Formats: sequence, C-alpha cells, structure tokens
Amino acid sequence: GAGVSQSPSNKVTEKGKDVELRCDPISGHTALYWYRQSLGQGLEFLIYFQGNSAPDKSGLPSDRFSAERTGGSVSTLTIQRTQQEDSAVYLCASSTQGAGNEQFFGPGTRLTVL
Amino acid sequence: AQKITQTQPGMFVQEKEAVTLDCTYDTSDPSYGLFWYKQPSSGEMIFLIYQGSYDQQNATEGRYSLNFQKARKSANLVISASQLGDSAMYFCAMRDLRGGTASKLTFGTGTRLQVTL
Repeated sequence: GAGVSQSPSNKVTEKGKDVELRCDPISGHTALYWYRQSLGQGLEFLIYFQGNSAPDKSGLPSDRFSAERTGGSVSTLTIQRTQQEDSAVYLCASSTQGAGNEQFFGPGTRLTVL
Repeated sequence: AQKITQTQPGMFVQEKEAVTLDCTYDTSDPSYGLFWYKQPSSGEMIFLIYQGSYDQQNATEGRYSLNFQKARKSANLVISASQLGDSAMYFCAMRDLRGGTASKLTFGTGTRLQVTL
C-alpha cells in the first residue's frame, strides 16, 4: 500500500512569509508525528497527534509553529513569519497505536528560508 | 526526560566485515522501546530494528542485531557482512511505553557509516 506522503518536497520562501506543509499518513494509522531535521543533525520532535486525543505540542519551538490534523488523517504544519533558522527538512511519520510499533516516515519537505 | 547519545559521528568498515554502532540512552521510564533507523543520502528514514526494555532476548533482523545491555543503558547496533548499500546515516531512538500507546521518538545525533571496498 501507499506510504506516508508529504508535499511539497521542496519549498523556498522569503523570510517573514507563512508556509504550510502537508502530510498524508498511511491509511489506518492513528498516530501522526512531525519532526524537524536541521542540516547534519538528528531529528527533533515537534508535535504528535494520537486519535482524538489532544495533541502533544511540547516540541514546537515557538508560537509561530502550529499544526492541525483534520478528520484523523491529513495533517498540515504551518510556520508563520518564517525565519532563516526555520530552514530544515520537515519529516512526518505515522504509526499504529501500539507503543512498540515503528513509525513510518515520509520523504520530508525541505524548507529553505531566504 | 529521555536522552540518546551516539558518540561516533563517523565510522568506516570494509565490505563483508561486521561493524558496531554505539548508542547509549538515559531515561527514568521503567518501560521503553529502542529503535534504529537508517537514513541513506536520499533522505528517507528506514526502520531497521526494535528492542523493548523488557524483552529477554536481543533483537535480530537479518544482518542487523541489537546488543542490548540494560544495566549499562546501551543499545548498540551490529551490522554483519557489511555491504556497500549500508553506507548511510544511522540513528538510534527511543520512546517510553507507558500506557501502551504510541508516543514520540527521541533521536540521537546519528553515526555516518561508510562501507569501503
């Protein structure tokens, strides 16, 4: 079946502009995660959705970052008033509910803020 | 808070040899899971292997095995019979298993493995 998809694959924007990144999880996966990977670094957790529960937003770096998940499926990560330090690859992952189950990652969106 | 430490920024191994990638972790959670992911230059994250904190045996998946030493809080990845296609970044990660439901992963900074002829 289809894996996790993300769009766009690349996004170049000017400082101060807003951007929206989209994630389509694997069908049936109730958990959805957003991570950020800066150049040469590991993955940094941003936000996590699990079913109908309130999302875990503990990783969002500032109030310029927000995310929503509509209908328990597609998710959009929004970054307002982008800054150069927001440049990174934004990775989305999904998993089933089981705690030991692996997360399946999408190909990522490479964001470049000029 | 959970923390993953990977002390080897880069490793070289000759083709067909075995290599061990180090990972140590710190957590106050009694129940946790440990994961290894591979990230080739193309950028996708590929799940390799999982070890639960209460699993009695070390996990194995084909050429991958996890050397889990709970008392030392280490979860080293062993790749046997290295292949050129194993050249990639390797990330160790963990999550707590409280409540039995999915939760976020905490990642290490990764080890870049280069397999040579």
